[in-house]
Amino acid sequence: DIQMTQSPSTLSASVGDRVTITCRASQSISSWLAWYQQKPGKAPKLLIYKASSLESGVPSRFSGSGSGTEFTLTISSLQADDFATYYCQQYTDYSTFGQGTKVEIK
Amino acid sequence: QVQLVQSGAEVKKPGASVRISCKASGYTFTRNYMHWLRQAPGQGLEWMGIINPGDGDTYYSQRFRGRVTMTRDTSTSTLYMELSSLRSEDTAMYYCVRVESSGSYYVYWGQGTLVTVSS
Repeated sequence: DIQMTQSPSTLSASVGDRVTITCRASQSISSWLAWYQQKPGKAPKLLIYKASSLESGVPSRFSGSGSGTEFTLTISSLQADDFATYYCQQYTDYSTFGQGTKVEIK
Repeated sequence: QVQLVQSGAEVKKPGASVRISCKASGYTFTRNYMHWLRQAPGQGLEWMGIINPGDGDTYYSQRFRGRVTMTRDTSTSTLYMELSSLRSEDTAMYYCVRVESSGSYYVYWGQGTLVTVSS
């Protein structure tokens, strides 16, 4: 099974900050990676697919990069609505998620 | 518009089984594979398995093999997920999700069904 490891587990930031979350795969997954945002009590929302493709309707301050085993999600200027938990997902071999990164207010 | 509507919350005793439904609408039911995921309270997302609504073929995560059964009813565009031999660790929100044609990422999610296992 492919393991996904996110870092950090928790991130404290302020509105306007540039935020970067990292996701590492235990083996190469090419670009078959997605990022999701989840708020309390809600289902996750797709932000990025195929490592760097922005889902329709998602603000352009979100971007994804990487291939192989190392990936990043960047929020260029953190907004109040962005405080949430973020998950990466590999989908080259069925599906595995990272453990999540909680972005909290500093 | 695509909608996935799941059945309501369940409370079960240890050792019992639970069956959750997921009614799809707004697209051709048999065209997209479906996955089931779960999320324990305060925890991350866990993949349970996949079903092809077209022919009913399934593949389950090793963790759930022998305890989970995924089925579908094409006449009502409804999926079902049954989990047996429930234990307290199965307390979680369960989601059905639609797989996109370009890859197994998830745009469309059911609203979730909370299953609580408690004696």
